[in-house]
Amino acid sequence: IVMTQTPLSLSVTPGQPASISCKSSQSLLQTDGKTYLYWYLQKPGQSPQLLIYEVSNRFSGVPDRFSGSGSGTDFTLRISRVETDDVGVYYCMQSRQLPWTFGQGTKVQIK
Amino acid sequence: QVQMVQSGAELKKPGASVKVSCKASGYTFTDYYLHWMRQAPGQGLEWVGYFYPYNADTHYAQKFRGRVTLTGDTSISTAYMELNGLRSDDTAIYYCTRDPAYGGDELDYWGQGSLVTVSP
Repeated sequence: IVMTQTPLSLSVTPGQPASISCKSSQSLLQTDGKTYLYWYLQKPGQSPQLLIYEVSNRFSGVPDRFSGSGSGTDFTLRISRVETDDVGVYYCMQSRQLPWTFGQGTKVQIK
Repeated sequence: QVQMVQSGAELKKPGASVKVSCKASGYTFTDYYLHWMRQAPGQGLEWVGYFYPYNADTHYAQKFRGRVTLTGDTSISTAYMELNGLRSDDTAIYYCTRDPAYGGDELDYWGQGSLVTVSP
């Protein structure tokens, strides 16, 4: 499954919203009713960290300014008000089918 | 608390092998799959494969089949990734991460990464 993210880079003023799109080449809806789409943030020099699981569920400790939405093959990660701590590369990932695949990543910078 | 601690950086020559370890603590080792990802310099994330400590099941990405072996030792809660026939394009940071055996596939804890450099 090919995952395509847009844009590949984003420069955002603190306090402004940001949005990242992720499209999959096949539906990520599994027969169990779950959609296996995840969002990760890799801050500079760090390992990736889980933000959102199964499209729209925020992982423990993730601020509520992060939200995920979508279905089937089209998904979106939104940051309602970007903060300086949000800089890094955001990846979507699918686990609907092996091999698991990632989007190319979206680099978020602060203006 | 959950920790996944990987072995240190390696410098290898082309054609050599490397074995990276990932020691897990703070949870029941056999309750989670161990996935390995890699990230070439300045590039994105790539899935290598998984090892399931409960029954030693493995699955590898097609591009690594025949060169990679994922194993584990449940007595010391440690997983291993061995990559053979190293090439310059295997230069990357290799990460281990856990995935619950039941439920979704949220990768909630990651190792710190192990840099493998392949150079003559």
